[in-house]
Amino acid sequence: AQTVTQSQPEMSVQEAETVTLSCTYDTSENNYYLFWYKQPPSRQMILVIRQEAYKQQNATENRFSVNFQKAAKSFSLKISDSQLGDTAMYFCAFTPSDSSYKLIFGSGTRLLVRP
Amino acid sequence: GAVVSQHPSWVICKSGTSVKIECRSLDFQATTMFWYRQFPKQSLMLMATSNEGSKATYEQGVEKDKFLINHASLTLSTLTVTSAHPEDSSFYICSARDSSSGRAYEQYFGPGTRLTVT
Repeated sequence: AQTVTQSQPEMSVQEAETVTLSCTYDTSENNYYLFWYKQPPSRQMILVIRQEAYKQQNATENRFSVNFQKAAKSFSLKISDSQLGDTAMYFCAFTPSDSSYKLIFGSGTRLLVRP
Repeated sequence: GAVVSQHPSWVICKSGTSVKIECRSLDFQATTMFWYRQFPKQSLMLMATSNEGSKATYEQGVEKDKFLINHASLTLSTLTVTSAHPEDSSFYICSARDSSSGRAYEQYFGPGTRLTVT
């Protein structure tokens, strides 16, 4: 079975500092996609960053970057220069490249940015 | 682009009644839509995959007769919770795929619907 594990239920970081959220996944497939989603108190799911498994280069989006280790099946999210608006639930998610395109979510990490 | 709306955003209904939630893709055609359920402080749980013009595919453990899904057009899917009970109270989120885009694997999420059954 394909699973996504987020081992940190809660994290806290001082404003302007850097924090890394962990995610591991399990799959026997070679082609797939990985995502980090942010869910603020409004509960709207917001895509933070995506990574295609066939790309070796780690994805970056402004202050957000990932460390994608395919062999280790690890996909961590680094948030640099943390801002108060980054306070939210963060979900790691995986989708296989088959026709189902189902998203499998991790349990989430609640991030609190302290002023 | 790639905006998905849901209506209503919050609904309260009495036990035993049915309630319909709409999910619309506003600026693209969605051949596939997904319905999720989220309990407080928990992750999203996929309930079903909805394909335009065909029957929905339900995940294991989801009651088909309780959660009726219809995907009658390329921009609209509906979830009807039939004979609702307090345990059906939850946050329901839909998402949609734009199969014509270069990122057909990506899902765009609606803002969610909070259902409270009294």
